Amino acid sequence: DVQMTQSPYNLAASPGESVSINCKASKSISKYLAWYQQKPGKANKLLIYDGSTLQSGIPSRFSGSGSGTDFTLTIRSLEPEDFGLYYCQQHNEYPWTFGGGTKLELK
Amino acid sequence: QVKLLQSGAALVKPGASVKMSCKASGYTFTDYWVSWVKQSHGKSLEWIGEIYPNSGATNFNEKFKGKATLTVDKSTSTAYMELSRLTSEDSAIYYCTRCNYGWFAYWGQGTLVTVSS
Repeated sequence: DVQMTQSPYNLAASPGESVSINCKASKSISKYLAWYQQKPGKANKLLIYDGSTLQSGIPSRFSGSGSGTDFTLTIRSLEPEDFGLYYCQQHNEYPWTFGGGTKLELK
Repeated sequence: QVKLLQSGAALVKPGASVKMSCKASGYTFTDYWVSWVKQSHGKSLEWIGEIYPNSGATNFNEKFKGKATLTVDKSTSTAYMELSRLTSEDSAIYYCTRCNYGWFAYWGQGTLVTVSS
């Protein structure tokens, strides 16, 4: 199975700041990486797929980059609603696997 | 709009089975794979398996073969997952998702399963 390692585990930031979350695959997954946001009481939300394609309805302050084994989710000008948990997931090969998660907290 | 409505929380005894449902609406149910994902308390997400409603074809994470059974009822646009021989390790939230090429565009609200005597 492809192991997905996210960093950092925790991230504290203030509204208006920009942050980056990293995701590393144990082998090449080409461009096939997705990012999700998880918040209590809300359905998990797909942000990015295919490494850098923004899901419909997701604000343009979210962006994804990378290929092969190293990927990054960048959130520019943080809004209050952006705080929560973020997961990466490879969709290159079965079984689909997720990273351990990054908690983005308000500083 | 696309909605996936999951059944309510379940408290089940060790060794028993549990069957949960995921009712889809807002799209053609038979056109997309439905995946199931496990999230143990405070932990990350694990993909269990997927089913293609049109044909009933399934793919599983090897870890969950023999544990999970996936079925659908096309007449009601509902997907089901049954977990058997439950232990405390199966206590978790289980999500159904609509799957596109391996990524999950839509998620249900989750079903909490607690295994306890």
